[in-house]
Amino acid sequence: AAGVIQSPRHLIKEKRETATLKCYPIPRHDTVYWYQQGPGQDPQFLISFYEKMQSDKGSIPDRFSAQQFSDYHSELNMSSLELGDSALYFCASSLDRQGRDTEAFFGQGTRLTVV
Amino acid sequence: LAKTTQPISMDSYEGQEVNITCSHNNIATNDYITWYQQFPSQGPRFIIQGYKTKVTNEVASLFIPADRKSSTLSLPRVSLSDTAVYYCLVGDTGRRALTFGSGTRLQVQP
Repeated sequence: AAGVIQSPRHLIKEKRETATLKCYPIPRHDTVYWYQQGPGQDPQFLISFYEKMQSDKGSIPDRFSAQQFSDYHSELNMSSLELGDSALYFCASSLDRQGRDTEAFFGQGTRLTVV
Repeated sequence: LAKTTQPISMDSYEGQEVNITCSHNNIATNDYITWYQQFPSQGPRFIIQGYKTKVTNEVASLFIPADRKSSTLSLPRVSLSDTAVYYCLVGDTGRRALTFGSGTRLQVQP
């Protein structure tokens, strides 16, 4: 079965550079989520999209932005990178069930290292 | 937003049954209870979800008392491969967000 695809799997950037992470959700899933997980930390919700529109925001820094495109893939853009942005970034997708909690499927993540 | 409380860690041995309890005193009427499993450097994986009483699937059971202020994930006959962090998620009804609290790190010994 198709899963959530994230690219790249690993990324090394220098401070103050920009990075773009991509996410391809499971076909026909209408909701995409982005999470950040620092070393030894729990996943932190950043932002979500429903039918290509921003749905909810969590603890996403102003330096970060995200969007979902017409083909439903999503990109997380990160600017002015800081050492503290080094983390695993997960994308997840789900099929919205009219407000009932849903099962989210997570990708393998992108490991971002800022040096 | 319902806050959850779980034990920080648990230890078990292969073949034993493991029960992880999650407290969620402020659970709302419409909230479901969902458990995820996460291995190091991998994305969380859905295990089971329930609203009340008992739910069972091929990997786990979920017990929810009538007051729904807690829930217990039961893993029968654990193996070494069940060593992972387990998260209990509650709420976010009306939001498209899954809020992860502090999970339970389960260590299974041979």
